Amino acid sequence: NAGVMQNPRHLVRRRGQEARLRCSPMKGHSHVYWYRQLPEEGLKFMVYLQKENIIDESGMPKERFSAEFPKEGPSILRIQQVVRGDSAAYFCASSPPETGELFFGEGSRLTVL
Amino acid sequence: DQQVKQNSPSLSVQEGRISILNCDYTNSMFDYFLWYKKYPAEGPTFLISISSIKDKNEDGRFTVFLNKSAKHLSLHIVPSQPGDSAVYFCAASDTGRRALTFGSGTRLQVQP
Repeated sequence: NAGVMQNPRHLVRRRGQEARLRCSPMKGHSHVYWYRQLPEEGLKFMVYLQKENIIDESGMPKERFSAEFPKEGPSILRIQQVVRGDSAAYFCASSPPETGELFFGEGSRLTVL
Repeated sequence: DQQVKQNSPSLSVQEGRISILNCDYTNSMFDYFLWYKKYPAEGPTFLISISSIKDKNEDGRFTVFLNKSAKHLSLHIVPSQPGDSAVYFCAASDTGRRALTFGSGTRLQVQP
């Protein structure tokens, strides 16, 4: 029973490029969450999605960031025109419909040069 | 505005002793609280949770206490083991909003 799968684990981008981070939730989980952890800080909520729906995007930066969770395939967090301040660990989590307990992936570490 | 606060960035205890990690919250709508443990280069893993209808929940060496009037919860680990050395995050949610709000974490070091 695979856990939450994130890829890539490490991603290096130059300023101005695009970053795409993918997340496959645990089997049977229909809720996906994205969190960001800046160096030496805690986890900051970004967005909460169900299949084909964004439920809560109150933590998403207003520009350059977008997320989707299509009917088929993984959830994708997309960062356009990356800047150095986007360098962070991005964690995806999923939860079953009936509980709020989140199961996290191992994270994708984005480095912007 | 930090709604979940962990005021101690680090804690060091001797093996076999009790570790007490503290967490305060400001949002009175929070009704579900969790503790997560995180090792370097890994994702957080769920440790223990408590609903606001309880004031204590125990699971093996881990006990979480909730004081609603003080908006304070704590995680007790006894006896502490070197393998418990990690960063511990407190998290909270309310029924109407599933997304968890996390504290900034406390780094626990258990000395052999």
